[in-house]
Amino acid sequence: DTGVSQNPRHKITKRGQNVTFRCDPISEHNRLYWYRQTLGQGPEFLTYFQNEAQLEKSRLLSDRFSAERPKGSFSTLEIQRTEQGDSAMYLCASSLGVLSSGNTIYFGEGSWLTVV
Amino acid sequence: ELKVEQNPLFLSMQEGKNYTIYCNYSTTSDRLYWYRQDPGKSLESLFVLLSNGAVKQEGRLMASLDTKARLSTLHITAAVHDLSATYFCAVDVHSGGGADGLTFGKGTHLIIQP
Repeated sequence: DTGVSQNPRHKITKRGQNVTFRCDPISEHNRLYWYRQTLGQGPEFLTYFQNEAQLEKSRLLSDRFSAERPKGSFSTLEIQRTEQGDSAMYLCASSLGVLSSGNTIYFGEGSWLTVV
Repeated sequence: ELKVEQNPLFLSMQEGKNYTIYCNYSTTSDRLYWYRQDPGKSLESLFVLLSNGAVKQEGRLMASLDTKARLSTLHITAAVHDLSATYFCAVDVHSGGGADGLTFGKGTHLIIQP
Protein backbone atom coordinates (compact mmCIF):
# COMPACT_ATOMS: atom_id res chain seq x y z
CA ASP A 1 0.00 0.00 0.00
CA THR A 2 1.58 3.20 -1.16
CA GLY A 3 -0.69 5.82 0.30
CA VAL A 4 -4.01 7.57 -0.13
CA SER A 5 -5.34 7.13 -3.66
CA GLN A 6 -7.78 9.49 -5.37
CA ASN A 7 -9.50 9.41 -8.73
CA PRO A 8 -10.09 10.92 -11.09
CA ARG A 9 -7.09 13.19 -10.75
CA HIS A 10 -8.60 15.79 -13.05
CA LYS A 11 -12.19 16.52 -13.99
CA ILE A 12 -13.59 19.22 -16.24
CA THR A 13 -17.34 19.56 -16.14
CA LYS A 14 -20.01 21.93 -17.30
CA ARG A 15 -21.86 24.01 -14.77
CA GLY A 16 -24.90 22.17 -13.50
CA GLN A 17 -23.50 18.69 -13.97
CA ASN A 18 -22.85 16.26 -11.13
CA VAL A 19 -19.39 14.93 -10.35
CA THR A 20 -18.14 12.21 -8.04
CA PHE A 21 -14.67 11.69 -6.62
CA ARG A 22 -13.39 8.52 -5.04
CA CYS A 23 -10.82 8.11 -2.29
CA ASP A 24 -9.09 4.95 -1.12
CA PRO A 25 -7.35 5.57 2.21
CA ILE A 26 -4.28 3.88 3.57
CA SER A 27 -5.18 0.35 4.65
CA GLU A 28 -6.35 0.07 8.25
CA HIS A 29 -6.73 3.84 8.62
CA ASN A 30 -10.11 4.25 10.25
CA ARG A 31 -10.35 8.02 9.86
CA LEU A 32 -10.90 9.58 6.47
CA TYR A 33 -11.06 13.31 5.74
CA TRP A 34 -12.07 15.49 2.82
CA TYR A 35 -10.53 18.92 2.31
CA ARG A 36 -10.85 21.51 -0.44
CA GLN A 37 -7.99 23.71 -1.62
CA THR A 38 -8.18 26.67 -3.98
CA LEU A 39 -5.21 28.37 -5.60
CA GLY A 40 -3.06 30.28 -3.16
CA GLN A 41 -4.94 29.03 -0.11
CA GLY A 42 -4.46 26.34 2.47
CA PRO A 43 -6.71 23.28 2.55
CA GLU A 44 -10.14 23.82 4.12
CA PHE A 45 -11.79 21.07 6.11
CA LEU A 46 -15.01 19.67 4.64
CA THR A 47 -15.89 16.51 6.51
CA TYR A 48 -14.50 13.38 8.11
CA PHE A 49 -15.43 9.78 8.86
CA GLN A 50 -14.64 7.38 11.62
CA ASN A 51 -15.05 4.06 9.85
CA GLU A 52 -18.40 4.40 8.06
CA ALA A 53 -19.80 7.10 10.34
CA GLN A 54 -19.66 10.70 9.17
CA LEU A 55 -18.81 12.55 12.37
CA GLU A 56 -18.46 16.17 11.35
CA LYS A 57 -19.35 18.41 8.43
CA SER A 58 -18.06 21.91 7.82
CA ARG A 59 -20.47 24.68 6.99
CA LEU A 60 -18.57 24.82 3.69
CA LEU A 61 -20.30 21.58 2.79
CA SER A 62 -23.51 22.85 1.24
CA ASP A 63 -26.54 20.70 0.48
CA ARG A 64 -25.11 20.05 -2.98
CA PHE A 65 -22.23 18.13 -1.46
CA SER A 66 -22.56 14.63 -0.09
CA ALA A 67 -19.89 12.26 1.15
CA GLU A 68 -20.20 8.59 1.93
CA ARG A 69 -18.01 5.82 3.24
CA PRO A 70 -20.39 2.88 3.04
CA LYS A 71 -18.17 0.05 4.22
CA GLY A 72 -15.66 2.02 6.19
CA SER A 73 -13.03 1.68 3.49
CA PHE A 74 -13.19 3.87 0.37
CA SER A 75 -15.16 7.11 0.29
CA THR A 76 -16.95 9.13 -2.37
CA LEU A 77 -17.57 12.85 -2.54
CA GLU A 78 -20.38 13.90 -4.85
CA ILE A 79 -21.10 17.43 -5.94
CA GLN A 80 -24.49 18.02 -7.49
CA ARG A 81 -25.39 20.88 -9.81
CA THR A 82 -21.81 22.11 -9.92
CA GLU A 83 -21.09 25.84 -9.87
CA GLN A 84 -17.98 27.68 -11.01
CA GLY A 85 -17.14 28.39 -7.40
CA ASP A 86 -16.73 24.66 -6.85
CA SER A 87 -13.57 24.69 -8.97
CA ALA A 88 -10.81 23.57 -6.62
CA MET A 89 -8.62 20.65 -5.67
CA TYR A 90 -10.41 18.15 -3.47
CA LEU A 91 -8.03 16.41 -1.14
CA CYS A 92 -8.68 13.18 0.67
CA ALA A 93 -6.66 12.20 3.71
CA SER A 94 -6.58 9.44 6.26
CA SER A 95 -5.20 8.75 9.70
CA LEU A 96 -4.83 5.67 11.87
CA GLY A 97 -6.71 7.24 14.77
CA VAL A 98 -7.56 10.46 16.51
CA LEU A 99 -5.13 13.34 16.11
CA SER A 100 -5.02 13.91 19.85
CA SER A 101 -3.13 10.63 20.13
CA GLY A 102 -0.37 11.99 17.96
CA ASN A 103 -1.48 10.48 14.68
CA THR A 104 -0.62 12.21 11.43
CA ILE A 105 -3.01 12.90 8.60
CA TYR A 106 -1.70 11.59 5.27
CA PHE A 107 -2.98 13.27 2.13
CA GLY A 108 -3.71 11.90 -1.32
CA GLU A 109 -2.64 13.55 -4.57
CA GLY A 110 -5.96 15.36 -4.87
CA SER A 111 -8.66 15.59 -7.51
CA TRP A 112 -8.71 18.79 -9.54
CA LEU A 113 -12.15 20.02 -10.50
CA THR A 114 -12.73 22.68 -13.14
CA VAL A 115 -16.29 23.84 -13.70
CA VAL A 116 -16.78 25.68 -16.99
CA GLU B 1 -13.34 30.80 15.03
CA LEU B 2 -9.80 29.49 14.88
CA LYS B 3 -7.43 31.58 12.79
CA VAL B 4 -4.04 30.35 11.67
CA GLU B 5 -1.74 32.99 10.27
CA GLN B 6 1.58 32.43 8.59
CA ASN B 7 4.20 34.96 7.69
CA PRO B 8 5.68 35.70 5.42
CA LEU B 9 3.33 34.46 2.70
CA PHE B 10 6.03 34.79 0.07
CA LEU B 11 9.75 34.44 0.58
CA SER B 12 12.58 34.55 -1.91
CA MET B 13 15.98 33.76 -0.53
CA GLN B 14 19.41 32.74 -1.66
CA GLU B 15 20.99 29.38 -1.22
CA GLY B 16 23.09 29.12 1.89
CA LYS B 17 21.03 31.61 3.90
CA ASN B 18 19.00 31.00 7.03
CA TYR B 19 15.41 32.03 7.52
CA THR B 20 12.39 31.46 9.74
CA ILE B 21 8.71 31.05 8.90
CA TYR B 22 6.23 31.95 11.61
CA CYS B 23 2.85 30.43 12.38
CA ASN B 24 0.48 32.09 14.85
CA TYR B 25 -2.86 30.69 15.88
CA SER B 26 -5.73 32.14 17.82
CA THR B 27 -7.00 29.32 20.03
CA THR B 28 -5.34 27.15 22.63
CA SER B 29 -3.84 24.03 21.12
CA ASP B 30 -0.92 21.76 21.81
CA ARG B 31 -0.90 20.00 18.45
CA LEU B 32 0.64 21.64 15.44
CA TYR B 33 1.63 20.19 12.09
CA TRP B 34 3.91 21.34 9.29
CA TYR B 35 3.39 20.22 5.71
CA ARG B 36 5.23 20.80 2.46
CA GLN B 37 3.48 21.09 -0.90
CA ASP B 38 5.18 21.13 -4.30
CA PRO B 39 3.31 22.72 -7.24
CA GLY B 40 0.41 20.55 -8.38
CA LYS B 41 1.18 17.95 -5.73
CA SER B 42 -0.35 16.88 -2.49
CA LEU B 43 0.84 17.67 1.02
CA GLU B 44 3.79 15.91 2.56
CA SER B 45 3.93 15.69 6.34
CA LEU B 46 7.11 17.25 7.76
CA PHE B 47 6.63 17.57 11.50
CA VAL B 48 4.08 16.83 14.20
CA LEU B 49 4.54 18.91 17.35
CA LEU B 50 2.54 17.65 20.29
CA SER B 51 3.54 19.67 23.34
CA ASN B 52 4.79 23.02 24.52
CA GLY B 53 8.49 23.36 23.88
CA ALA B 54 8.57 20.57 21.31
CA VAL B 55 11.41 20.84 18.83
CA LYS B 56 11.95 18.57 15.86
CA GLN B 57 14.64 18.62 13.21
CA GLU B 58 14.98 16.92 9.87
CA GLY B 59 17.91 17.86 7.70
CA ARG B 60 17.97 21.60 7.18
CA LEU B 61 14.51 22.13 8.69
CA MET B 62 13.74 22.60 12.36
CA ALA B 63 10.30 23.21 13.84
CA SER B 64 9.38 24.38 17.31
CA LEU B 65 6.19 25.01 19.26
CA ASP B 66 5.40 27.53 21.99
CA THR B 67 1.84 26.87 23.07
CA LYS B 68 1.77 29.75 25.53
CA ALA B 69 2.59 32.22 22.78
CA ARG B 70 0.46 30.23 20.31
CA LEU B 71 3.42 30.30 17.97
CA SER B 72 5.32 27.77 15.91
CA THR B 73 8.40 28.41 13.83
CA LEU B 74 9.96 26.57 10.92
CA HIS B 75 13.63 27.41 10.62
CA ILE B 76 15.60 26.78 7.47
CA THR B 77 19.35 26.45 7.78
CA ALA B 78 21.70 26.93 4.83
CA ALA B 79 18.87 26.75 2.31
CA VAL B 80 19.22 24.70 -0.85
CA HIS B 81 17.15 24.91 -4.03
CA ASP B 82 15.38 21.59 -3.32
CA LEU B 83 13.61 23.21 -0.39
CA SER B 84 11.65 25.49 -2.72
CA ALA B 85 7.98 24.70 -2.06
CA THR B 86 4.94 25.98 -0.20
CA TYR B 87 4.97 25.28 3.52
CA PHE B 88 1.79 25.05 5.55
CA CYS B 89 1.24 24.95 9.26
CA ALA B 90 -1.96 23.41 10.60
CA VAL B 91 -3.50 23.34 14.03
CA ASP B 92 -5.72 20.78 15.70
CA VAL B 93 -7.78 22.29 18.48
CA HIS B 94 -10.12 19.44 19.19
CA SER B 95 -9.72 17.60 22.46
CA GLY B 96 -10.54 14.25 20.95
CA GLY B 97 -13.80 12.35 21.01
CA GLY B 98 -15.98 13.01 18.01
CA ALA B 99 -14.39 16.13 16.59
CA ASP B 100 -11.24 15.98 14.54
CA GLY B 101 -9.40 17.71 11.74
CA LEU B 102 -6.89 20.42 11.02
CA THR B 103 -7.16 24.13 10.31
CA PHE B 104 -4.48 25.31 7.90
CA GLY B 105 -2.73 28.60 7.38
CA LYS B 106 -2.54 30.13 3.91
CA GLY B 107 0.94 28.80 3.35
CA THR B 108 4.38 30.32 2.80
CA HIS B 109 5.55 30.17 -0.80
CA LEU B 110 9.32 29.74 -0.60
CA ILE B 111 11.66 30.24 -3.54
CA ILE B 112 15.34 29.52 -3.06
CA GLN B 113 17.59 30.94 -5.72
CA PRO B 114 21.15 29.86 -6.53
